[in-house]
Amino acid sequence: EVQLVESGGGLVQPGGSLRLSCAASGFTFSSYWMHWVRQAPGKGLVWVSRITSDGSSTSYADSVKGRFTISRDNAKNTLYLQMNSLRAEDTAVYYCARDLMGYTGSDTFDYWGQGTLVTVSS
Amino acid sequence: EIVMTQSPATLSVSPGERATLSCRASQSVSINLDWYQKKPGQAPRLLIYGASTRATGIPARFSGSGSGTEFTLTISSLQSEDFAVYYCQQYNNWPPTFGGGTKVEIK
Repeated sequence: EVQLVESGGGLVQPGGSLRLSCAASGFTFSSYWMHWVRQAPGKGLVWVSRITSDGSSTSYADSVKGRFTISRDNAKNTLYLQMNSLRAEDTAVYYCARDLMGYTGSDTFDYWGQGTLVTVSS
Repeated sequence: EIVMTQSPATLSVSPGERATLSCRASQSVSINLDWYQKKPGQAPRLLIYGASTRATGIPARFSGSGSGTEFTLTISSLQSEDFAVYYCQQYNNWPPTFGGGTKVEIK
């Protein structure tokens, strides 16, 4: 059974940093692109970032570029999102998601974690 | 970036009835369009990809259609577990973008 479990969320002050983790199990993690998607309170889903299966290439939404860094450790089956210079508008539930198409990527998300809440407030 | 617009924002339907949800793209996305179901406190669930292909384990009462800029998700006979928010998402152009969602509520 595919499982994705996020952790690392919490309350942080504006300008602060936080590192999210996503522990994957039930599939060959190193064979799949992975993504982060967020949902602000009462709002819709917004794609944040993606990383290729071997970690060689990454992409970011304009709203987080230069502040967030996605990475992965295939030996530990874990995806990360390092978030720096956090703003109030980054407050959201952050979901990690697996890409449907494995090595080739498709930006379709077939399995999602339960999410971790990040609150940016003073 | 491509803007996805969903209508209506809220759809009130009785159990057993048919629900039809619409999604419009600001430019053609071919058939590179997904539908997701989201319930409060739960992870989103992929329903449809490639505009009309049901994801693994998705009941046949869910169907998707359309191409280009106009898409439809149909739930043929609403079950109690289908009341949720539904999102469309395009992956034809980077970045992938979601619509604002349609809430399907009990009438």
